[in-house]
Parts: sequence; structure tokens; C-alpha cells
Amino acid sequence: QSALTQPASVSGSPGQSITISCTGTSSDVGGYNYVSWYQQHPGKAPKLMIYEVSNRPSGVPDRFSGSKSGNTASLTISGLQAEDEADYYCSSYTSSSTLKVFGGGTKLTVL
Amino acid sequence: QVQLQESGPGLVKPSQTLSLTCTVSGGSISSGDYYWSWIRQPPGKGLEWIGYIYYSGSTYYNPSLKSRVTISVDTSKNQFSLKLSSVTAADTAVYYCASFTMSRAFDIWGQGTMVTVSS
Repeated sequence: QSALTQPASVSGSPGQSITISCTGTSSDVGGYNYVSWYQQHPGKAPKLMIYEVSNRPSGVPDRFSGSKSGNTASLTISGLQAEDEADYYCSSYTSSSTLKVFGGGTKLTVL
Repeated sequence: QVQLQESGPGLVKPSQTLSLTCTVSGGSISSGDYYWSWIRQPPGKGLEWIGYIYYSGSTYYNPSLKSRVTISVDTSKNQFSLKLSSVTAADTAVYYCASFTMSRAFDIWGQGTMVTVSS
């Protein structure tokens, strides 16, 4: 069982917006602004999409945005495109001895 | 632009030691900008952080693997390495090396290497 909880799957139609949640505790998501999000296409390495809750690395479209409220972080993708279909993982720093935890991943299907 | 490349055997026998190396190109492993990390992903499953090392040699390991893991760095070769001892089938996974920033994010990833534990 992953330390961070994500929905197993979400779906949306092209042009729509979707949100993926990532729920942790006050020891990780709620306690630090070190939440990051990764996109992984089949057979490929993960790609950093969001860091420090809401910051986008250079080259990541502004359709991708991140936020946090309490112990839950969220990734929102607006204007869905077919190429957004992938698995998405959240991650957070944690004050536990584990130091770094991931969510179980969410499969995004673009209908 | 920093790039990472994993290398090592794709097949390891049970009870033996898994050894992988990550070569850093396009930048210096001693720059101090990153921690150098290993992450794995069992087939069809999610990501698991294994540990990371700073160029100075300071290491941090996932407690669930700590007794079996050693991460080391060779600054002269611009490489860092992973050793995982006493492997079982549960250690079968794609192993990724990645750079870990001061923003606590893995920003550059290697392409990954599949390691199968089987006799």
C-alpha cells in the first residue's frame, strides 16, 4: 500500500479539464510544500511535471497546474489532449524515516 | 543538459547482489546541485524510492531496503552506483537513476533498466 493515496483512474474528453488528487498526512503532503507530480507514458521513464506543489519546470505546458489544501494535493490538466493519456504519480517529502513517498499512480484516459 | 544512463546486468540470480551504475553526462556529479537517486518500479506497479547520495558521499536510504542497499559515488568517472544484496523475485523491477533537486523533486531521469531476478 502506497503512502500517498491517488484514484486508480480518471478520464476525460479532449478539451475538458480533469483533476487528480493525492492524499497524505500532516507528516508529508500537509506539512511541507514539497509535492511533485510525474507523468509516465507506457514503457517510458517518468517526467517531472510539477514541483513544490505548483511550479512547472521549463517546457511543461501551462495546461498543467498543481495546488494543495490541507493534506491533499491536486494536479489539474485543462484542455485535455490525446497525448496527456498516461499514468500520473504524486510524490512528497515526508518527515518519517522514509524521507520520500510516492502515490500509487493514476491512469488518465482521454476518451 | 544533464543526461543519465543506467547500465548493468539484466538478470540476477536469487540471493545474489544486484549491481547497477548510472553515468552522468552533460554536467558534473560534483556540482552540488543534486542528490543522485535510485528509484524502482516493479512490472505493472508504482514507483519506489530506494535512496540517494550526495557527491560528498552522504547517503539516505528507504528504511524498507536499508539493510540490503548500498549507494556509492565515483566522482572521477562521473558515476554513481547501486548494490542490492540478497535479491529475491520481489526485487524484479525497472530501475531508474534520477537527479534529486533541492526542491525535493526528481527532475532528470535515466531511461531505466529492467532487472529480472530468476534462477
